[in-house]
Amino acid sequence: GAVVSQHPSWVICKSGTSVKIECRSLDFQATTMFWYRQFPKQSLMLMATSNEGSKATYEQGVEKDKFLINHASLTLSTLTVTSAHPEDSSFYICSARDAHEMGNSPLHFGNGTRLTVT
Amino acid sequence: AQKVTQAQTEISVVEKEDVTLDCVYETRDTTYYLFWYKQPPSGELVFLIRRNSFDEQNEISGRYSWNFQKSTSSFNFTITASQVVDSAVYFCALSEAWGKLTFGTGTRLTIIP
Repeated sequence: GAVVSQHPSWVICKSGTSVKIECRSLDFQATTMFWYRQFPKQSLMLMATSNEGSKATYEQGVEKDKFLINHASLTLSTLTVTSAHPEDSSFYICSARDAHEMGNSPLHFGNGTRLTVT
Repeated sequence: AQKVTQAQTEISVVEKEDVTLDCVYETRDTTYYLFWYKQPPSGELVFLIRRNSFDEQNEISGRYSWNFQKSTSSFNFTITASQVVDSAVYFCALSEAWGKLTFGTGTRLTIIP
């Protein structure tokens, strides 16, 4: 089955530093990837839609200058949390849509990245 | 705007009991998709089922079954003969636009041995 690899699975960083999270589709092409954030014991909230070769589309309330998204190839999207603060500590998870699948097919999710900012 | 409500925040049942997780959704679209995902303590999301708005047939997969009722905008999930490995957070989700998912708040299910 389709696999989405997310790296790193966890990261601890100091306040003020930047952290990059990678989301790769391993065996399929993904023209669109999605980034979600999940605070402890809460639901997943869509942050942004990442489109290959174009600018990401951010959901209302998500700072695009803080959460930089790059989708430079059909298999890789990156999320960079810039100038991280403790309130950015969260579980970030990506999903990818297979470009060759028809209809609104199941999204493939990465295993998530747990970010802790100290 | 679309919305997914999972009114049950936490449920605990004794092993081998049946349990139903409720999901109610709101959407203005006539074409949409509903999903259930399982999130074990490790955090990954495990896809369980997808149902489109034109297919109201109930589905059974092993110990899992789903009841989709458009008239009440519900998409409930039942686990029969529950097992400890079923303990997890379960999310119901709705997709209107291509690929974008709106998740419910999740139901934390604990199966007591």
